[in-house]
Amino acid sequence: AQSVSQHNHHVILSEAASLELGCNYSYGGTVNLFWYVQYPGQHLQLLLKYFSGDPLVKGIKGFEAEFIKSKFSFNLRKPSVQWSDTAEYFCAVNENFNKFYFGSGTKLNVKP
Amino acid sequence: DADVTQTPRNRITKTGKRIMLECSQTKGHDRMYWYRQDPGLGLRLIYYSFDVKDINKGEISDGYSVSRQAQAKFSLSLESAIPNQTALYFCATSSFGTGGSYNEQFFGPGTRLTVL
Repeated sequence: AQSVSQHNHHVILSEAASLELGCNYSYGGTVNLFWYVQYPGQHLQLLLKYFSGDPLVKGIKGFEAEFIKSKFSFNLRKPSVQWSDTAEYFCAVNENFNKFYFGSGTKLNVKP
Repeated sequence: DADVTQTPRNRITKTGKRIMLECSQTKGHDRMYWYRQDPGLGLRLIYYSFDVKDINKGEISDGYSVSRQAQAKFSLSLESAIPNQTALYFCATSSFGTGGSYNEQFFGPGTRLTVL
């Protein structure tokens, strides 16, 4: 079975700091990769996704992620965070167009 | 996402009671999922259904059952609720096909369930 690891459980940053959240997965076959964001009290919303092609994926709100197949990684980045980015971030992997597997999440707290 | 709705949004119940959580979608997706979210554990898959006649157990199906009444409806039941089923429950949908939104999941607003 697939496993998805998010290395940081809780990240605290000041506004304008750069962000990188790690995500590694275990399956070596065909995968589709996603980052979701959950703002306080809300449901999960898609930030960005990778299916194929350019491994650098740009999403909403200035987020981007890089798929590195050799490292089984799909790290999320943002050059300059804002207070409104305070949320929980989930990495998800879909293998062979079947089930989705989610990481345990990273809580980001951005201090104004 | 208003296209995926869940009822109720909040529910408090007692140990031993049977509870049903309902999910409806207007996205026309064939695939539906039930997850539970617990702090520090992320989302864990309870059951999933790829069409009305296809229902599969996820990683934590014990104590739960589901019913896919129609393509648009997928209900989750707790046969005899226990306190460690206290969690936030999410329904999600996705589609299998071509196009830019291929295989992406869309989530409902969640149901917060408390079992006393």
